Order: sequence, then structure tokens, then C-alpha cells
Amino acid sequence: DAGVTQSPTHLIKTRGQQVTLRCSPKSGHDTVSWYQQALGQGPQFIFQYYEEEERQRGNFPDRFSGHQFPNYSSELNVNALLLGDSALYLCASRSGNQPQHFGDGTRLSIL
Amino acid sequence: QKEVEQNSGPLSVPEGAIASLNCTYSDRVSQSFFWYRQYSGKSPELIMSIYSNGDKEDGRFTAQLNKASQYVSLLIRDSQPSDSATYLCAVEKAAGNKLTFGGGTRVLVKP
Repeated sequence: DAGVTQSPTHLIKTRGQQVTLRCSPKSGHDTVSWYQQALGQGPQFIFQYYEEEERQRGNFPDRFSGHQFPNYSSELNVNALLLGDSALYLCASRSGNQPQHFGDGTRLSIL
Repeated sequence: QKEVEQNSGPLSVPEGAIASLNCTYSDRVSQSFFWYRQYSGKSPELIMSIYSNGDKEDGRFTAQLNKASQYVSLLIRDSQPSDSATYLCAVEKAAGNKLTFGGGTRVLVKP
């Protein structure tokens, strides 16, 4: 039974570019959340998707957007990349009110 | 005041001893509490969840919750070098809601 899978594992971009990160939830999970984790800090909530709609959003600018597909997979898009966007981006999935399980993350580096 | 606070450590513990980690949270309406373990360069892994006051034991791990004091702790008994990691405390205000993380406590278990 595959857990939460994310792609790509690593990505290098330059300032001003756009990036798309992908996440497939654990089998049976229908809710996907995205978190940003800067080096040495705890993860920060970006947004949560359920039934293809954004249900909650953290304190992130509109440059951060997302999407959930009918198969529950999700994408995180970041436009106009800044140096400060360099971080580990984590996807977490859950079913109902069960605890969230995290994928291995995408390490994004901005040059 | 941060919503979830942890001592960043490092907490140095001899092999076989008990590691005691603490976490405080600011929002009294918080309902669910989690401990995640994160190895360097890896994603957070759920090790304990606790929802009501008191103790919850799972193997070598015990979580303790005191909602009146807004305090949650994690005890690791018979600490092993493989327990060396960063331990993240996470709080959920309502079931199915976002997770708010502390900054993590780094634990070093020395042989």
C-alpha cells in the first residue's frame, strides 16, 4: 500500500520563475494539505483541499495556489519565485478526521 | 507568543535513559495533539496522537496531555541512538483542521 507520494524530490529554480509540485495521497485518503518547512523550523500550513475545493488557507500570498483532481491528487503552484521560497514542501493526506500522514517532500531551491 | 512552543534543544540523553520533551500551546480550544518524529532531510512521521487529558502509552513512547495547563509532553523510555531526531509537536483546533507545528526539539541519544 503506497503512502503519500510527491514529485519531484528536488527542484532548482531561479527567481521569478514558476513551479508546480505534485502529490498523490495515500490510498483511501481524500483530503490533501500542503506545508512549507524552512530549514530549522516546523512546517507551516499553506492550504488544504477536499472535494476539489480549497477548504482552509494559511498565511501565504496569492502566489501560492493549488488544485485537487477527481482522483484526490493535488498540485501546488508557486508563481514569481522568491529566494525566501526555498524550503521543503510537504504534502499530507488524511481520511476524515484521522491523523495526517506526510509524503517525503519536495526540496525546492531558488537561485 | 507563538501558537505552539517547544524548546529547540538539543536535548542530549544517554542511551537507555528517558527523554522528556515538552510543548505548550496558546489556543484553549485546541482539540487534538500529535507528536511527529523527523529525521534530518526526511519527512515528519507520526508517532503519537492524544485527544483527552491524561497519559497515552505506545511502546517506548508516552504522551501526556493537560488541557488546563495547555501542555503536552512526550516521554521516550529506554532511548536508543536511532531515536536521535527532531520531534515536532503539532496541534489541531478542530478535527480535520490544519496542523499548527512547534519549531521542534532536537534529541541526541549518545551511546
